[in-house]
Amino acid sequence: GENVEQHPSTLSVQEGDSAVIKCTYSDSASNYFPWYKQELGKGPQLIIDIRSNVGEKKDQRIAVTLNKTAKHFSLHITETQPEDSAVYFCAARPPGSNTGKLIFGQGTTLQVKP
Amino acid sequence: KAGVTQTPRYLIKTRGQQVTLSCSPISGHRSVSWYQQTPGQGLQFLFEYFSETQRNKGNFPGRFSGRQFSNSRSEMNVSTLELGDSALYLCASSLAPTGGNEQFFGPGTRLTVL
Repeated sequence: GENVEQHPSTLSVQEGDSAVIKCTYSDSASNYFPWYKQELGKGPQLIIDIRSNVGEKKDQRIAVTLNKTAKHFSLHITETQPEDSAVYFCAARPPGSNTGKLIFGQGTTLQVKP
Repeated sequence: KAGVTQTPRYLIKTRGQQVTLSCSPISGHRSVSWYQQTPGQGLQFLFEYFSETQRNKGNFPGRFSGRQFSNSRSEMNVSTLELGDSALYLCASSLAPTGGNEQFFGPGTRLTVL
């Protein structure tokens, strides 16, 4: 089955710097890749997603890139702010037209130092 | 529009007991998925329901079960609780289970088994 690896497990940056989190997936037929942000005591919040027919997507300070050949996708956060501090999860949706099942990476704890 | 709601938010049970958790999806969403989140295993898919039918099931023992009602609300049940069932149980809703539909998570139910 699908497997998603996420790196790094922890990331500390200075406010204003950029942060990059990388994920690799095993099933080349996976077609949907969302990213979630989880703050303490809350459920994961969808922040950006990308489909397999797109190479890059941006939303203000957040961008996601997808390399289907290498089977990896990355989250880029620019001009980080203290409120970006949280745990970030990548996920992949395995092939199958009638499933919403997501396979998650292990998470990255991002700390943005003021 | 109200988000995904889960009740109760916190629950303490003892080994051997059973528990029922409830999830109300976003209005208009018909697909509900359940995930278990633990520090060791991360986010793991439990099952998915659409139109009152289980569409997909993760690798969990038969003690874990669920159902969906005609108004799309869903419940999951865990029988004969074990210590290892202590976790955050998350519900996610989407319009439909087909690929690419965004999943939105609720705040979760924190289950502690003593």
